[in-house]
Amino acid sequence: AQTVTQSQPEMSVQEAETVTLSCTYDTSESNYYLFWYKQPPSRQMILVIRQEAYKQQNATENRFSVNFQKAAKSFSLKISDSQLGDTAMYFCAFMKHVGAQKLVFGQGTRLTINP
Amino acid sequence: KAGVTQTPRYLIKTRGQQVTLSCSPISGHRSVSWYQQTPGQGLQFLFEYFSETQRNKGNFPGRFSGRQFSNSRSEMNVSTLELGDSALYLCASSESGGPPRGETQYFGPGTRLLVL
Repeated sequence: AQTVTQSQPEMSVQEAETVTLSCTYDTSESNYYLFWYKQPPSRQMILVIRQEAYKQQNATENRFSVNFQKAAKSFSLKISDSQLGDTAMYFCAFMKHVGAQKLVFGQGTRLTINP
Repeated sequence: KAGVTQTPRYLIKTRGQQVTLSCSPISGHRSVSWYQQTPGQGLQFLFEYFSETQRNKGNFPGRFSGRQFSNSRSEMNVSTLELGDSALYLCASSESGGPPRGETQYFGPGTRLLVL
């Protein structure tokens, strides 16, 4: 079974700073997908970024980028120039390449951006 | 395109009752998955429906069931409610043109269920 671990329950940074959220996972699969979702106080789960394990290049979406280290089973999220609207719970999630269309989530990191 | 919609948004029930939650996926999406979110257990997969068939099921008791209609809309039902069923229930849809291939799931706003 796959497991996802987010070791930072809470983080807090100042607006405009850069912050990195950590995620590690455990799997015996060679092909899989990794995701970061954010859940603001409204509770709507929003996709931030997606990484395909067979692609060596790290995914980037505007101010959001990942550092994917397949051998270390590590998938961290970097938020540059953080904004107040980035305040949310951030969840790292794993999905197998083939089979169950099922996300396995970490416990989440509560990120607060202070003005 | 309109996003995933869920109804109702809030629900209060008492122990022993049953409840039905509804989810309408993004237009053209054929797969619908359900998740339960609680402070203690986090986000847990309930089940996934594709083409009116349950394709995968999580580790939940048989009191939790679901179905999918021909227009891809899905409902989940919880019978004989327990206090521990209080949670945010999230529905997610993905395109799923064929065998599941790690497709991105897009979530609805959730239904918050409180069991008294």
